[in-house]
Amino acid sequence: RKEVEQDPGPFNVPEGATVAFNCTYSNSASQSFFWYRQDCRKEPKLLMSVYSSGNEDGRFTAQLNRASQYISLLIRDSKLSDSATYLCAVKGDDMRFGAGTRLTVKP
Amino acid sequence: EPEVTQTPSHQVTQMGQEVILRCVPISNHLYFYWYRQILGQKVEFLVSFYNNEISEKSEIFDDQFSVERPDGSNFTLKIRSTKLEDSAMYFCASSVDSSSYNEQFFGPGTRLTVL
Repeated sequence: RKEVEQDPGPFNVPEGATVAFNCTYSNSASQSFFWYRQDCRKEPKLLMSVYSSGNEDGRFTAQLNRASQYISLLIRDSKLSDSATYLCAVKGDDMRFGAGTRLTVKP
Repeated sequence: EPEVTQTPSHQVTQMGQEVILRCVPISNHLYFYWYRQILGQKVEFLVSFYNNEISEKSEIFDDQFSVERPDGSNFTLKIRSTKLEDSAMYFCASSVDSSSYNEQFFGPGTRLTVL
């Protein structure tokens, strides 16, 4: 089983749509969880941390379910500029990334 | 805004040669990391470094690899006797500390091509 698993997509959505990404992880001792955004041939940039109680930052909402070892990211009112690959990352002793989910937002 | 910088942006080398990839972490950060990303694949952790020694390393980080902080600003990754499969993007990152939600800031990466 992969350590951090994501649906690779691609997700092709129109502007204004709501889209959700899921991620599962195998290490139950993982301590912290993140969503990163990566544009083509660029470095990962932190989008948001994921807290146990769930958290929201503008149009972005992240949820964590420790019992199911699952995290999610919801993007509301998607913009063209949201087009990117979204990486789930899980930190235990070190940081492990999922392979990413590719999102394309179309006019 | 402070940022992590990396040089060179692209390195081409012949198989069997040694390469050194350089990074300048953010100045008040104490933890440093190297990751690699083979084209089309996921970002993979290589090593973390604190207080002039390796704190964690992955199964990828074998004897072919070494890291060093030669002075107060640079953090380097040396790859000895490069192989074709070492071709990848190498990202350096740094963080203030290693606490759970402390953000790791990534540099722009060095694209290594081994011919």
